Amino acid sequence: AQSVAQPEDQVNVAEGNPLTVKCTYSVSGNPYLFWYVQYPNRGLQFLLKYITGDNLVKGSYGFEAEFNKSQTSFHLKKPSALVSDSALYFCAVGVYQAGTALIFGKGTTLSVSS
Amino acid sequence: GAGVSQSPRYKVAKRGQDVALRCDPISGHVSLFWYQQALGQGPEFLTYFQNEAQLDKSGLPSDRFFAERPEGSVSTLKIQRTQQEDSAVYLCASSLGRAGSNIYTYGYTFGSGTRLTVV
Repeated sequence: AQSVAQPEDQVNVAEGNPLTVKCTYSVSGNPYLFWYVQYPNRGLQFLLKYITGDNLVKGSYGFEAEFNKSQTSFHLKKPSALVSDSALYFCAVGVYQAGTALIFGKGTTLSVSS
Repeated sequence: GAGVSQSPRYKVAKRGQDVALRCDPISGHVSLFWYQQALGQGPEFLTYFQNEAQLDKSGLPSDRFFAERPEGSVSTLKIQRTQQEDSAVYLCASSLGRAGSNIYTYGYTFGSGTRLTVV
């Protein structure tokens, strides 16, 4: 079965410091990987995705993620965190052979302190 | 419209009541998805439409859940005889892409969701 794991329920970081939100996946077939952010009472906003090609993907708001096939990981990173980055982050995976739906992790709450 | 619009934003239903949740996708988007997001969890797939055809309903939790998209644009998710475990945020997403083709390349746009509370 396809699955996504976000091992940390919460990540705390000071403003200006680098941040990492972890994601690992388990799929049969080639994965298509996504990161979304959710602010309170809002829908999911797309940050970035990996489809194919360069393992380092750059996305919105200065975020980036690195696809690591051997470690089946797709960690989200940002060199310098902002207080406004505080939100709930979801990693998701899609597999062409498995259908259409994205499979989401449980989410990681990022808290950036000033 | 510019984004995916869902209504109502909030719905409180008494247990046993029927509810209908509406999704207006981005104009021209072929694909439409419904997801259920329970408190503290990630979204879980419910059903998928390509135009008016419901191609995948494997995620619907029971026969009390029913979805339709009769003209290939607006979609309605109906829940009959609501139970407390139905309390969740229901998210709609649309895509210009098609399942089994380019849907991951185009990606998805999500609405803000409808928060359903069953009391």
